[in-house]
Amino acid sequence: NAGVTQTPKFQVLKTGQSMTLQCAQDMNHEYMSWYRQDPGMGLRLIHYSVGAGITDQGEVPNGYNVSRSTTEDFPLRLLSAAPSQTSVYFCASSYRGPVFGNTIYFGEGSWLTVV
Amino acid sequence: QQQVKQSPQSLIVQKGGISIINCAYENTAFDYFPWYQQFPGKGPALLIAIRPDVSEKKEGRFTISFNKSAKQFSLHIMDSQPGDSATYFCAASNSNSGYALNFGKGTSLLVTP
Repeated sequence: NAGVTQTPKFQVLKTGQSMTLQCAQDMNHEYMSWYRQDPGMGLRLIHYSVGAGITDQGEVPNGYNVSRSTTEDFPLRLLSAAPSQTSVYFCASSYRGPVFGNTIYFGEGSWLTVV
Repeated sequence: QQQVKQSPQSLIVQKGGISIINCAYENTAFDYFPWYQQFPGKGPALLIAIRPDVSEKKEGRFTISFNKSAKQFSLHIMDSQPGDSATYFCAASNSNSGYALNFGKGTSLLVTP
């Protein structure tokens, strides 16, 4: 059981470049989301999805794009990288429905540096 | 704006002592309150979680205390061990939003031998 898999683990981008952070889960979870973690800021929600074909914005969506064409995958696209997007990115997933104990599983993180 | 406020930012506790981390929230629609533990270079991992219909939940050395009227909840780590040294995040979510989590800024805990 691989859980939540993120790729790449590390990436250096030049300002203005675009790239996609990949996230895949093998637990048949309906809910998936992307967070960024910055020192002293905790984790902040970028985008989330409640099922295939459905996405919504989180707290800090600007500069990012997502899509959810399958249940398993939830890629995060940086449209034109900026130094302010240097961060650690975490993908997370959870089961569908308001059931208590709906554990949210995080991936190992993707370290992105924009120079 | 931060929907969940966490304190303290850092905490040093001696081995065997009690570590206490506090969180406060404003949104009364929140109905799920987890705590996450994160070690350097790793993703957060669920430690313990509570719903607002109970005032306390205990799992081993970890206890969540929940005060619905005050909109506050706290994590107590009993008999703290050096292996508990990590960053702890409280969070809150609303089931209508698909369990997207609103995190506190985190508390860096150091347990000294």
